[in-house]
Amino acid sequence: QVQLKESGPGLVAPSQSLSITCTVSGFSLTNYGVSWVRQPPGKGLEWLGVIWGDGSTNYHSALISRLNISKDNSKSQVFLKLNSLQTDDTATYYCAKEDYGKGGFAYWGQGTLVTVSA
Amino acid sequence: DVVMTQTPLSLPVSLGDQASISCRSSQSLVHSNGNTYLHWYLQKPGQSPKLLIYKVSNRFSGVPDRFSGSGSGTDFTLKINRVEAEDLGVYFCSQSTHVPPWTFGGGTKLEIK
Repeated sequence: QVQLKESGPGLVAPSQSLSITCTVSGFSLTNYGVSWVRQPPGKGLEWLGVIWGDGSTNYHSALISRLNISKDNSKSQVFLKLNSLQTDDTATYYCAKEDYGKGGFAYWGQGTLVTVSA
Repeated sequence: DVVMTQTPLSLPVSLGDQASISCRSSQSLVHSNGNTYLHWYLQKPGQSPKLLIYKVSNRFSGVPDRFSGSGSGTDFTLKINRVEAEDLGVYFCSQSTHVPPWTFGGGTKLEIK
């Protein structure tokens, strides 16, 4: 079955970079896109960006200068890199996959909490 | 970007009651292909969001028929009949008609009165 799992550093210092890996199973990254969504503690959901099966990407306009999403199809891994972190980047970061036939993000990872603090 | 506005922010209910959550979009969510990509999610404490309803009114796999979605254009409603304890959490609406970006409502917390 479809599964996604994030792994991240937990704590990042301000101005540093964040790298998170999403490892997927049950589908091929060459055929499906994977999005990143984040959620600050106690707040709502914010879509960050997507990498499509062909490797093309779309990013949220507010993050386009700091965000990079890439992948390794052979390892079934998607990578998020966010530069110049500030305290308001503190959030749980999720990778998610849409159900193309139905619509909506039908599959989510368990999320990884990233705290930006000195 | 499409702005999604949910009301109310908090919804205290008694178990067995009916609950209703509203979601309004800043522009019509009817896609050029005729579909309306408005979805509902439930996030229980400490868990990832889970898809409940897709394309306005379709229940995702395993979702009880106590949940129903309706609406069109820019106004949508999620109804929960006979609320059970397992239904408590935060409900989010979301659109995937005008993407990118995918956008979410601010959330409605369903809690015990």
